[in-house]
Amino acid sequence: DGGITQSPKYLFRKEGQNVTLSCEQNLNHDAMYWYRQDPGQGLRLIYYSQIVNDFQKGDIAEGYSVSREKKESFPLTVTSAQKNPTAFYLCASSMGPLELNEQFFGPGTRLTVL
Amino acid sequence: AQSVAQPEDQVNVAEGNPLTVKCTYSVSGNPYLFWYVQYPNRGLQFLLKYITGDNLVKGSYGFEAEFNKSQTSFHLKKPSALVSDSALYFCAVRDDSGYSTLTFGKGTMLLVSP
Repeated sequence: DGGITQSPKYLFRKEGQNVTLSCEQNLNHDAMYWYRQDPGQGLRLIYYSQIVNDFQKGDIAEGYSVSREKKESFPLTVTSAQKNPTAFYLCASSMGPLELNEQFFGPGTRLTVL
Repeated sequence: AQSVAQPEDQVNVAEGNPLTVKCTYSVSGNPYLFWYVQYPNRGLQFLLKYITGDNLVKGSYGFEAEFNKSQTSFHLKKPSALVSDSALYFCAVRDDSGYSTLTFGKGTMLLVSP
């Protein structure tokens, strides 16, 4: 899992609540990413950030929000607007999207809505 | 738009036999191709990548992949499978435009029997 940490490992949320997933990296990478993984659907990109104070929507950004105030941190908030938030969430980082280097992944957070 | 297809949800192989996990892709420019492996409830681990050059790419844990431009394929191979290779394998692609993000396939579960 490299130098990327995600917390918590498991998260339970009641309907209507916002929750924030943490992602921290000590790899000095410029780019960071959030993916959602559902069984049989692979990984889908939620948001990504190429540099501090800048981020872009991915394929499934609705109901999610992010911030990138520090290079090391890229927290993801799952809002009450996300209709089906139960999933496995993966954070990743790379030297930069213009680079050809691979992405490094964190261990993931499993979110369950009760 | 770029896409990846992993036509097999599951591949079964006996320990010691060669294994192949298939991947085909579609991109508008030149492809950059990646293979990742995921063990249960963990993040993804990088195996290998093709950027340019030799069509046969060697990676971690004895895995290799062959890039075939005419067939738009990037199949993952290993000469002799181990029980410990049992995991979920993802193929991913991006184009060479410089600003695209990775697109992942849906994954193929590899089961190696003793």
